[in-house]
Amino acid sequence: GAGVSQSPRYKVTKRGQDVALRCDPISGHVSLYWYRQALGQGPEFLTYFNYEAQQDKSGLPNDRFSAERPEGSISTLTIQRTEQRDSAMYRCASSHGTGIDGYTFGSGTRLTVV
Amino acid sequence: QKEVEQDPGPLSVPEGAIVSLNCTYSNSAFQYFMWYRQYSRKGPELLMYTYSSGNKEDGRFTAQVDKSSKYISLFIRDSQPSDSATYLCAMSAPGSTLGRLYFGRGTQLTVWP
Repeated sequence: GAGVSQSPRYKVTKRGQDVALRCDPISGHVSLYWYRQALGQGPEFLTYFNYEAQQDKSGLPNDRFSAERPEGSISTLTIQRTEQRDSAMYRCASSHGTGIDGYTFGSGTRLTVV
Repeated sequence: QKEVEQDPGPLSVPEGAIVSLNCTYSNSAFQYFMWYRQYSRKGPELLMYTYSSGNKEDGRFTAQVDKSSKYISLFIRDSQPSDSATYLCAMSAPGSTLGRLYFGRGTQLTVWP
């Protein structure tokens, strides 16, 4: 695609529910990244994939958070048993290679847990 | 202490002014340095990328890296109202965390006509 596409754009969920956030990277980009951005803060790393392999998941806050990219393209970030503190903008990004020369970010999914 | 520190501002300047944006960092392993621009309600977009120390110029924008001081800067010459945005510095280290970027919190800039 022309850019990194994320869906849904907005998600409101009740505390305790599971949510799945989707990211469709730029076609041909081998690396995919998930970040979380709180209001007034910079993006905070969650995890990243090289093709289908999860290279680094050290930024995932706890075991309620998981991510997958089974075919090396679309990725899903899943949050189980959501809590209010999970409310944030979740951003996906992709890059040709290692990303050291920059990523392309999507518009994000605004998650609100009520 | 966060690994990357950035003054959030806000910074307000008149059109045509020279703007200086800065970040400091604590991890001496950082080798790759980026500046992103983020407009309201949009995702960050890459503005400049530099490797190790030195200067890089692109039009009205100049990025500087001083690794000895662990200090990076972005200069905007002849600033325009369209430059009004939040500017985020980001950096990465070689090795196992190569793909991971560490961001500053961003500086909010307003350029008024």
